[in-house]
Order: sequence, then structure tokens, then C-alpha cells
Amino acid sequence: NAGVTQTPKFQVLKTGQSMTLQCAQDMNHEYMSWYRQDPGMGLRLIHYSVGAGITDQGEVPNGYNVSRSTTEDFPLRLLSAAPSQTSVYFCASSYSGAKLRGETQYFGPGTRLLVL
Amino acid sequence: AQKVTQAQTEISVVEKEDVTLDCVYETRDTTYYLFWYKQPPSGELVFLIRRNSFDEQNEISGRYSWNFQKSTSSFNFTITASQVVDSAVYFCALSEAYYNQGGKLIFGQGTELSVKP
Repeated sequence: NAGVTQTPKFQVLKTGQSMTLQCAQDMNHEYMSWYRQDPGMGLRLIHYSVGAGITDQGEVPNGYNVSRSTTEDFPLRLLSAAPSQTSVYFCASSYSGAKLRGETQYFGPGTRLLVL
Repeated sequence: AQKVTQAQTEISVVEKEDVTLDCVYETRDTTYYLFWYKQPPSGELVFLIRRNSFDEQNEISGRYSWNFQKSTSSFNFTITASQVVDSAVYFCALSEAYYNQGGKLIFGQGTELSVKP
């Protein structure tokens, strides 16, 4: 198993540009999520999905869109990038989405995004 | 309120020293889960351990051990005979069972451990 994979590893954007951060997992996990990591603020939940076709907002969803058309993929879209979105983005997955009862979440390697 | 506090921002030790990373949590839930993750300089987040609130047994895995005390709301992590490869940022995290928005993990700020040869 490749586990959780993310592409790209690093991206530079100009303010106003759009892009999609890709996330895929091959563990047949129901639950997938996106976090952003900022210095001094730990990791914060952006969006999550408990299964294909179901998504919901996390703690800091503004400026980001998600969709979940398949179990394997959970892309994160920035429609109009802003410097405040400069961060490291992590995708995570866990086996059970429906229960949301403390399942271990496994993280991808992260994407470093710089918005100028 | 739900919160995880890792008061130690940075710790520096010499190889072979023992080191304890502190984690204190706050939760309104009676059922919850605690985690430790390691983030080495390469940047990925590596899962280390998961404990539920009903299991207060301490756990040992090689040089790693964890001390969970509900009475003090703490879940501390000890590395025995530290090695240079242990240098990383370590995160403690909390997941509440019932008052939980979207399976959110609540992370502490992290403790950066530097092990010098």
C-alpha cells in the first residue's frame, strides 16, 4: 500500500490564482480530511468527508472547496489564492468515517504552498 | 472547552539522555482518544500511539513509553536513551467521541526535540 499520497509536494502561486491539491489513499478508508499547519497554531481542520459524495466544513473552511467523487480521492481546491493561505497542507484518512469515534488518522506527506 | 497544551516548545538533550514530553488536555467528553504524532525534519506526520479514555494502562514500545493519567488530564511521552534520529517535532492530539465536529483532531502546538550527539 502506498498509504496517503499528496501532490504536488511544493507549489508557488500568485495571489488570485487557483489550484487543486491532490490527495489519494489506497487503504479503502471511508474518512478523509484536510488540515493546514501554521507556525504556532498546530494543525487545523479545513474540510472532511465521511464517504464518497459526502463532505462537510471543518474549523477553517473559508477559501477552500472539496469534493469526494470516489472513495480514494479527496482534492482540495483554492479558487482564488491569498497570501493568508500560505501554509503546509496535510491530507489524512481513517478507516471509519461514520462513527467518528477516535479512529487513528494517517497523514500524507504534505504540500507546501507559498502564495505571493 | 477542548484544548491540548504542550507547554514545552523546545527541548534539547544529549544523546542517551531520557526525555519526557508533556501533554495536558481539556475535554468535556467522558469518552475521548489521545494520540501522539512525530514530525521529523522531512515533514511528514507519523502516527505513534492512540489511547482511549477508559484505558489508563501505561504503554511501552521499545524506547518509547506513555503515561496516561486522567486525574491530571495528562498524557506524557518519554523517550529513554534518546538518539539523534529522535530529533523531531512531537504533537499530542485529542479526539472527542461525542462532541466532535467531523472527527476533528485537536492538536497541541508541538514540542521540538533536538537530540545532540
